[in-house]
Amino acid sequence: DIQMTQSPSSLSASVGDRVTITCRASQSISSYLNWYQQKPGKAPKLLIYAASSLQSGVPSRFSGSGSGTDFTLTISSLQPEDFAIYYCQQTYTTPALTFGGGTKVEIK
Amino acid sequence: EVQLVESGGGLVQPGGSLRLSCAASGFTFGNYDMHWVRQATGKGLEWVSAIGNAGDTHYEGSVKGRFTISRENDKNSLYLQMNSLRAGDTAVYYCARARGLHARGRYYYVMDVWGQGTTVTVSS
Repeated sequence: DIQMTQSPSSLSASVGDRVTITCRASQSISSYLNWYQQKPGKAPKLLIYAASSLQSGVPSRFSGSGSGTDFTLTISSLQPEDFAIYYCQQTYTTPALTFGGGTKVEIK
Repeated sequence: EVQLVESGGGLVQPGGSLRLSCAASGFTFGNYDMHWVRQATGKGLEWVSAIGNAGDTHYEGSVKGRFTISRENDKNSLYLQMNSLRAGDTAVYYCARARGLHARGRYYYVMDVWGQGTTVTVSS
């Protein structure tokens, strides 16, 4: 099974900050990597697919990069509505999928 | 409006059974793979099971042999029959639609529509 490890598990940041979250796969997954945002009490929302493609309707301050085993999600200028938990997901072994443990972005 | 609505959650004793349902609307249900994903309180997302548009099924290891995913395309409905429930199965269960999105000459698999979730509590 492919394991997905996110870091950090949580971070504190201020509005306007640049935030970077890392996701590492236990083996190469090419670009089969998605990022989701989840707010309290809500279902996850797709942000980024194919490691770096922005889902329709998602603000351009979100970006993704990486391939193989190492990936990053970057929020260029953190906005109040971005405080949430972010999950990576590998789809290399579709339809059996794996999520990372999540990164909670909190207000400093 | 594209929508998924789960139902069927509740409190069940260890060893008991529960059947979750997911009602789809606003899209051609039979054309899509469908998934169940769960989330224990304060924990991360865990993929549980998937069913392809052709009816092929897949399960996470800890639920294999206990859970059964199924679908009725004419009723736009997805199901998860959960037997031999354990305390560790306690979670919010989400159904999600999956599809391929095109990028850089390939299709990449995503879960692009999610329901609001239904809560399953396994406790005596």
